[in-house]
Amino acid sequence: AQSVAQPEDQVNVAEGNPLTVKCTYSVSGNPYLFWYVQYPNRGLQFLLKYITGDNLVKGSYGFEAEFNKSQTSFHLKKPSALVSDSALYFCAVRDSGGSYIPTFGRGTSLIVHP
Amino acid sequence: EAGVTQFPSHSVIEKGQTVTLRCDPISGHDNLYWYRRVMGKEIKFLLHFVKESKQDESGMPNNRFLAERTGGTYSTLKVQPAELEDSGVYFCASSHPGAGEAFFGQGTRLTVV
Repeated sequence: AQSVAQPEDQVNVAEGNPLTVKCTYSVSGNPYLFWYVQYPNRGLQFLLKYITGDNLVKGSYGFEAEFNKSQTSFHLKKPSALVSDSALYFCAVRDSGGSYIPTFGRGTSLIVHP
Repeated sequence: EAGVTQFPSHSVIEKGQTVTLRCDPISGHDNLYWYRRVMGKEIKFLLHFVKESKQDESGMPNNRFLAERTGGTYSTLKVQPAELEDSGVYFCASSHPGAGEAFFGQGTRLTVV
């Protein structure tokens, strides 16, 4: 079975400061990892993914994530937060050798204060 | 390229009524998924189509839910009869085979009163 944990329901950060949204995962094989963002009244929007290769993955809007196999983590980061980054962030995982079905976490609400 | 579209965006129905949600995936995407999110909880998998075939429906809550994918194109999710606990946001997503990410629609917010 595969699972995702997002340990923080909410993350608060001041504009201009770096932000981190945490994600840990569990799969039986090699993971494919994804981050999505949901703005109010919108659908989930793909941000970035890790499939293989470089552990540091860069995505949309200046976001990046680091795959850490030993810690089974895939934390989302951004060097300098913007108020417009305030949204709900979801981490997802699927097993590279399993089904095509991604499993999602509960989501983390990111609030960036001016 | 058009994205995944879902209809309606909102639906308010009374307990015991029937509702049908529709999803039009991105053209050429064989994989189609339905998910549901109840307020504050995780996005929970409902079922997965590959073309017109149900590949995995292990997440369907009970037999009040029926999903179809006509000709491997659009999909419908029918809830009959609806119960209060069916309220939530229903998301549809589609993807290519392989390692690609799934693309999501804007969701249908279902409220059963």
